[in-house]
Amino acid sequence: EDQVTQSPEALRLQEGESSSLNCSYTVSGLRGLFWYRQDPGKGPEFLFTLYSAGEEKEKERLKATLTKKESFLHITAPKPEDSATYLCAVQKTTTPGSSNTGKLIFGQGTTLQVKP
Amino acid sequence: DAGITQSPRHKVTETGTPVTLRCHQTENHRYMYWYRQDPGHGLRLIHYSYGVKDTDKGEVSDGYSVSRSKTEDFLLTLESATSSQTSVYFCAISWDSFGEAFFGQGTRLTVV
Repeated sequence: EDQVTQSPEALRLQEGESSSLNCSYTVSGLRGLFWYRQDPGKGPEFLFTLYSAGEEKEKERLKATLTKKESFLHITAPKPEDSATYLCAVQKTTTPGSSNTGKLIFGQGTTLQVKP
Repeated sequence: DAGITQSPRHKVTETGTPVTLRCHQTENHRYMYWYRQDPGHGLRLIHYSYGVKDTDKGEVSDGYSVSRSKTEDFLLTLESATSSQTSVYFCAISWDSFGEAFFGQGTRLTVV
């Protein structure tokens, strides 16, 4: 069964305290792994796409990495404005004879709180 | 924000009534999706569209129907609302089937 698991569920950090969020996945074939940020009452905001093991993407204090079984979102020297829920999602490869719908399988998210 | 507008943003409705949620995009993206987000379940796909009048079911489609008569509009209908359909509903769009999806602001639906 296809599954995406994020850990921890919640993370509290002091401002400047670096850490990592984990996304482990079990799918029959990975086409892409996506990271989103979601603020309370808002829709998910796209951050990164990773397509192959060893790939890394960076944006400000965030860096996403990918292995064959999991992805990490590293947060370096976080600030209070980084507080949000971070969502991981995977997109599967297509099977012969079927079309790729683009649909995403989401994990349940990690809620990050950064205290000043 | 990507040009995605969901309406209404909030709605309270009674059990057994039909409800239609609207997603409107100005990006001319081919793919459109409806997800629901619930505590403990994350985001789950309800229905999606890969073109005008081309739609298909997602993993939690029971009790929902969709229509797409124009590129820019994707409607989600709850045929007879139940309390289990109380949720936050998100519309998403993507240019193609393997790129990133962009999400709307969501509709909070409460069925009483």
